[in-house]
Amino acid sequence: GENVEQHPSTLSVQEGDSAVIKCTYSDSASNYFPWYKQELGKRPQLIIDIRSNVGEKKDQRIAVTLNKTAKHFSLHITETQPEDSAVYFCAAGRMDSSYKLIFGSGTRLLVRP
Amino acid sequence: NAGVTQTPKFRVLKTGQSMTLLCAQDMNHEYMYWYRQDPGMGLRLIHYSVGEGTTAKGEVPDGYNVSRLKKQNFLLGLESAAPSQTSVYFCASSLTGYSNQPQHFGDGTRLSIL
Repeated sequence: GENVEQHPSTLSVQEGDSAVIKCTYSDSASNYFPWYKQELGKRPQLIIDIRSNVGEKKDQRIAVTLNKTAKHFSLHITETQPEDSAVYFCAAGRMDSSYKLIFGSGTRLLVRP
Repeated sequence: NAGVTQTPKFRVLKTGQSMTLLCAQDMNHEYMYWYRQDPGMGLRLIHYSVGEGTTAKGEVPDGYNVSRLKKQNFLLGLESAAPSQTSVYFCASSLTGYSNQPQHFGDGTRLSIL
């Protein structure tokens, strides 16, 4: 079946450093790739998304890159801050009649002050 | 707008009991989803609906039933709860599948089956 692999499962960085989380997807028809941030006990919240017609998207300190040939996409957070500490989930899916998302298993990011 | 509202927030059941989780959205979204979240496994789709009166199976539908009698509500039912269904359940909604709009999540329901 379709799946999304996410690495690493945990990531600890010093405040101010960069963090990179990587995902690989299996369904070559996927055309939509969102990233969600989930703080402890809270709902997942969309932080950035990318569609298959672009290779990179930036929003202030966060960016996402997509390599459709390799079926890889990555989240980059620069100048990390303690409030970036959370669990991050990638997902892959199709913007179509069903719009189902397959989620990765999550990365717990800890930013040390 | 309240967005996506889930009730209840917490529930403890005994094995074999039944219950219904309610999801309500006030954004006039067509699509609604039920996920479960287990430690180390991310979010897995249980069932989803692409419109009032329609439902479809997701990745892990066994042991659950759903209904979408009204556009704004999506109900998830457990007919005979099992300890393996202990999880955090999230409901989400989106405008459609083609709208370039993300899925919006509720606050979750933490369900424990003893």
